Amino acid sequence: AQSVAQPEDQVNVAEGNPLTVKCTYSVSGNPYLFWYVQYPNRGLQFLLKYITGDNLVKGSYGFEAEFNKSQTSFHLKKPSALVSDSALYFCAVRDMRYRVGDYKLSFGAGTTVTVRA
Amino acid sequence: DVKVTQSSRYLVKRTGEKVFLECVQDMDHENMFWYRQDPGLGLRLIYFSYDVKMKEKGDIPEGYSVSREKKERFSLILESASTNQTSMYLCATSTGTLLSEYDEQYFGPGTRLTVT
Repeated sequence: AQSVAQPEDQVNVAEGNPLTVKCTYSVSGNPYLFWYVQYPNRGLQFLLKYITGDNLVKGSYGFEAEFNKSQTSFHLKKPSALVSDSALYFCAVRDMRYRVGDYKLSFGAGTTVTVRA
Repeated sequence: DVKVTQSSRYLVKRTGEKVFLECVQDMDHENMFWYRQDPGLGLRLIYFSYDVKMKEKGDIPEGYSVSREKKERFSLILESASTNQTSMYLCATSTGTLLSEYDEQYFGPGTRLTVT
């Protein structure tokens, strides 16, 4: 079984401050991990993913995420938040131990980020 | 760029009606997915398909069925709509080869369905 937890429903930060959105996961094997963002009235957009290798992954719009196997976490970070980063963020996981034809992801409940000017 | 389109952005239906939601993709992806999105619950997988005429149940298939007659098109069917199926429905696609099992999913804009 695979699952994701996003412990914070909401994150509020001031523009220019660092932004962190937390994610922890549970899988039987090793994980593929993803972050998506949803802007109001739009579908989800892919931000970044971790497959293997370097624990720090860089993605779109200046975001990065750090994979920590011992803590089973994959927190999303941005050094300096913008008002335009205000959106709903989803973490997702897929167990590398898959069966042929099973490509489904498990998503967290989402974290609403509000960046105030 | 991958383009995933959904037949309607907003839909209002009555209880008991049969509802069709259609998703079309233009990137020749093997995998297609239907999710529903509800506040506080995130995205929950209803059904997915990894090939034409193939379908697999997701986490919440009850009350839904799907059809995939062509590679580019994946339909979600609510046989008899109920008020608890009021939700945002998202379609997604991904490549499906064994060499790309970690590829990200691409999402459509969503259909907000209200059942009254």
